[in-house]
Amino acid sequence: GEEVAQTPKHLVRGEGQKAKLYCAPIKGHSYVFWYQQVLKNEFKFLISFQNENVFDETGMPKERFSAKCLPNSPCSLEIQATKLEDSAVYFCASSQSNRYNEQFFGPGTRLTVL
Amino acid sequence: AQKVTQAQTEISVVEKEDVTLDCVYETRDTTYYLFWYKQPPSGELVFLIRRNSFDEQNEISGRYSWNFQKSTSSFNFTITASQVVDSAVYFCALSEEGRDDKIIFGKGTRLHILP
Repeated sequence: GEEVAQTPKHLVRGEGQKAKLYCAPIKGHSYVFWYQQVLKNEFKFLISFQNENVFDETGMPKERFSAKCLPNSPCSLEIQATKLEDSAVYFCASSQSNRYNEQFFGPGTRLTVL
Repeated sequence: AQKVTQAQTEISVVEKEDVTLDCVYETRDTTYYLFWYKQPPSGELVFLIRRNSFDEQNEISGRYSWNFQKSTSSFNFTITASQVVDSAVYFCALSEEGRDDKIIFGKGTRLHILP
């Protein structure tokens, strides 16, 4: 597609439940990035992929967060045993190459953990 | 270390006034990219501009203009003749070539344009 698609738009989970977010990058884009925007507007980089390979995972809280980008499937970000502080908007972005740093952002998924 | 500072947390101006949003960055790289994004109340991120470190020309796009000064590590954004629709949170951001391309965002400046 011509835009980065993220589903669902909103997700509500009880504390301790699993949450799974999806991202379909722009067709032809090789790089996918996940960012977390918490309530105070701060963005945090989580992870990036080059095709199905993890490119940079320095921002991932590895205990409960995992992510995948498999061929012919949307990329996913999964949070096991959600905590209240996981409440945030999760943005996915894609780029054609790792040059020029032109990332196109999706509309985000708002996760609310109760 | 890479860092983006937007010292202005919140700004309010009356419609039609000009307003400048400040951005100061830190980087050790000689090749890097600077960005401005707009996040309106609806929540999406709207790309405004990307500037690479070798291009210090100022840019104007309609009512928007950007002033990039490497000497002061600043990339300021000015809105001329502001309109109510400009009300949003504006983020300045930095990406270093060779740092896996992740974008480092400032904390944002919330801009209120009062009618």
